[in-house]
Amino acid sequence: AQTVTQSQPEMSVQEAETVTLSCTYDTSESDYYLFWYKQPPSRQMILVIRQEAYKQQNATENRFSVNFQKAAKSFSLKISDSQLGDAAMYFCAYRILIQGAQKLVFGQGTRLTINP
Amino acid sequence: KAGVTQTPRYLIKTRGQQVTLSCSPISGHRSVSWYQQTPGQGLQFLFEYFSETQRNKGNFPGRFSGRQFSNSRSEMNVSTLELGDSALYLCASSQDRYKTDTEAFFGQGTRLTVV
Repeated sequence: AQTVTQSQPEMSVQEAETVTLSCTYDTSESDYYLFWYKQPPSRQMILVIRQEAYKQQNATENRFSVNFQKAAKSFSLKISDSQLGDAAMYFCAYRILIQGAQKLVFGQGTRLTINP
Repeated sequence: KAGVTQTPRYLIKTRGQQVTLSCSPISGHRSVSWYQQTPGQGLQFLFEYFSETQRNKGNFPGRFSGRQFSNSRSEMNVSTLELGDSALYLCASSQDRYKTDTEAFFGQGTRLTVV
């Protein structure tokens, strides 16, 4: 099965604090990449961070980092020093090549609210 | 470099009509993918086009079709619209379809409402 599960439909955090969004996935493919996308009210999906599945080292992009547990098929996103501009829907996804085509499989999303 | 451009931004159609959405990828990008986003089903893969050929299609009925032109611009068409087709349709372009790490850049989407 090709699925991504985000178990937290909504999360909220105080400005300047840290929040972790959870994600688990299922794929039988061996070659895949994992992504977190952010979708603000403007609707445009913006790449936050990506992780190569064959790398054990967790990716970091400024205030954003991931905790990648390949055996558990878990890929959580940690946002440090939360800012008001971080408020958005966050989607976890993986990308595979299947039947000669590339495809992103998304979770249902987590709506993140930042409280001032 | 201009981003991915989707037109129109909003559409209202009546059941039974057909609609065509357009996507202009980032210059130099040859892969264009389409996704449907609804509150109930989330983001679902529609199809991918590369070099004017549809490479794969998601689990959607034949009413959903598309094409890609020689300049990589893509259109998707939905015929005989149903209320359930109301959604945000997102287009994503990427440079290289052969690598899973290639970043996909998304447009702002077309919000289709079927009444």
